[in-house]
This record gives sequence, C-alpha cells and structure tokens, in this order.
Amino acid sequence: DAGVIQSPRHEVTEMGQEVTLRCKPISGHDYLFWYRQTMMRGLELLIYFNNNVPIDDSGMPEDRFSAKMPNASFSTLKIQPSEPRDSAVYFCASRTTGGNQPQHFGDGTRLSIL
Amino acid sequence: QKEVEQNSGPLSVPEGAIASLNCTYSDRGSQSFFWYRQYSGKSPELIMFIYSNGDKEDGRFTAQLNKASQYVSLLIRDSQPSDSATYLCAVNQGGTYKYIFGTGTRLKVLA
Repeated sequence: DAGVIQSPRHEVTEMGQEVTLRCKPISGHDYLFWYRQTMMRGLELLIYFNNNVPIDDSGMPEDRFSAKMPNASFSTLKIQPSEPRDSAVYFCASRTTGGNQPQHFGDGTRLSIL
Repeated sequence: QKEVEQNSGPLSVPEGAIASLNCTYSDRGSQSFFWYRQYSGKSPELIMFIYSNGDKEDGRFTAQLNKASQYVSLLIRDSQPSDSATYLCAVNQGGTYKYIFGTGTRLKVLA
C-alpha cells in the first residue's frame, strides 16, 4: 500500500517567495496532520484536519502560513511570504478514526529559505 | 502547555546490551503513547504503541507504561548498530487526536 506522499522532497527558494507544500494521505485515512521539525524546537504540530475540515490550527505560527484540504486525498501548506526562519523539514501524517490509531508520516519536505 | 520530556542524550550502549529510553508526560488525560524511531534525514517511523499500564513486548522492543507516575519507557534488547537513531516519544493530548512529541533521545549502539 502507498504511504503518505509529500512533494516536493526539497525546496530552496528566496525570502519573500510563496512556497506550497503538498500531501496525499493514505487512502481511507480521515485525519491529516502537518508538522514542522527543527533542531531547536523538535517536531511541532501546525494544524490538523478531520474529514477535510481544519480542527485545530493553534500551532500555525502566523498569518503567513495557511493550509487547505480541498478533498480527502490532497492537502497543501502554503507560506507567503516566506522568511529564512521558516527553513525546516515539514512532515505530513495521516491516520484513521477510532481507538488509538497511530499516525503514519510521509518522507517530508526539506525547505530552505535563502 | 502540555509537555513531553525526554533526555536528549546521546545514550551510548555497546552492541548486545539493553538500551533503556525514558519519557515523562504532564497531561493526566493522555490515553495513547507511541514510540517512533527517526534516522537522520528520514521521517519518524512507528515502533511501538501502548495504551494500558504495564509492559508490551514486540520482538526486541518492550514498551512500559505507568500512568500513575506519568512515565513511559522503551527497552531495546540485544541492541544493534542499526538501532542507532533518535527515538521520539509521542503522547496524545487528552480528549483529542493531537500528539505532543518529545524532543527525542539520540541512541548510539557501539559495535
């Protein structure tokens, strides 16, 4: 079975540019999570969706960040305008409803803002 | 702010020894506890999950949970150099599907 698929794997762009990260969750998973990982702060939850609806966006650092989930098989995380401090690895994860199911992570997008 | 605490390490153990990784959490409402392994430059990979007090064994791995002490641990028996990685403890925030991750413990298994 295909896992969580993220694109691009690497992104290098200049400060001020718009960045769009993409995620395809595992088929049948109805929860989707966006995380950011840095050496200083570890793995931080940014936002999560249930059935395409944002449930908790309290981890989104500021208005420059936005996330959407237009359908069950696709989500985007957008940064506009980007800043050097946004440089990090961004992970997408998904899980099913019910019980205490684990989250399954994609390979991540390594983002560098110059 | 709910917290999950781990010793950052590195924890160095000789090959064949038992590695013991520890995690404490602050949210008494937490019900689900997970251990993820993350190799450098890779994504977190689920190793174990535990929901009930006591021990849960899976091959060389044993997860231990003590809700009264708000403590969860991971034991790795017969440690191998390939076990060298960062181990992340994740705890659900009570009543939600959110995980709070610890900052991870770096394990080095010396050949």
